[in-house]
Amino acid sequence: KQEVTQIPAALSVPEGENLVLNCSFTDSAIYNLQWFRQDPGKGLTSLLLIQSSQREQTSGRLNASLDKSSGRSTLYIAASQPGDSATYLCAILTGGYNKLIFGAGTRLAVHP
Amino acid sequence: ETGVTQSPTHLIKTRGQQVTLRCSSQSGHNTVSWYQQALGQGPQFIFQYYREEENGRGNFPPRFSGLQFPNYSSELNVNALELDDSALYLCASSLDSSGANVLTFGAGSRLTVL
Repeated sequence: KQEVTQIPAALSVPEGENLVLNCSFTDSAIYNLQWFRQDPGKGLTSLLLIQSSQREQTSGRLNASLDKSSGRSTLYIAASQPGDSATYLCAILTGGYNKLIFGAGTRLAVHP
Repeated sequence: ETGVTQSPTHLIKTRGQQVTLRCSSQSGHNTVSWYQQALGQGPQFIFQYYREEENGRGNFPPRFSGLQFPNYSSELNVNALELDDSALYLCASSLDSSGANVLTFGAGSRLTVL
């Protein structure tokens, strides 16, 4: 059974720091991995999608890596800003339809 | 129209009642998925509809059911509500059911069961 774990559960950093969020999964047979952002009481915004054949994806200050063999992904946020404060969720797609398996998320607070 | 819209945004029900949540998918997206997100947890997959037929289901009982309509709208129905059904219900649409495309999520419907 595929399980997704995110560490840390919560993180508080001063503005400007570079930070790394971690995601691990138990079964390396994945279709793709996605990182989402969720603001309080809101839906999910897709940040990055990494296909199983890829090693990383970049968008602006965000970089996500994927290591299937070790069952790990990291989301790197450069030069963090208060507007980055949100919950970041990692999700795995293992099958041929849209069943995403999510981690519980990392709650990030960036203070000025 | 772009984006996924859900209604209602908040609602309160009592145990044993029935609820219908609605979703309007992004135009052109023929696949809709529903997720349940309990407080402090990641979303859990309920089911997926493709071209008005259910084609994938998570570990949820039959009292969770759905409908998808030709106009890109869909419904999630929950019968015999239980306290543990209190959660944020998220609808997501995509171009197809293959899993190869990014899902566009709505803002959710927050259900409280008393």
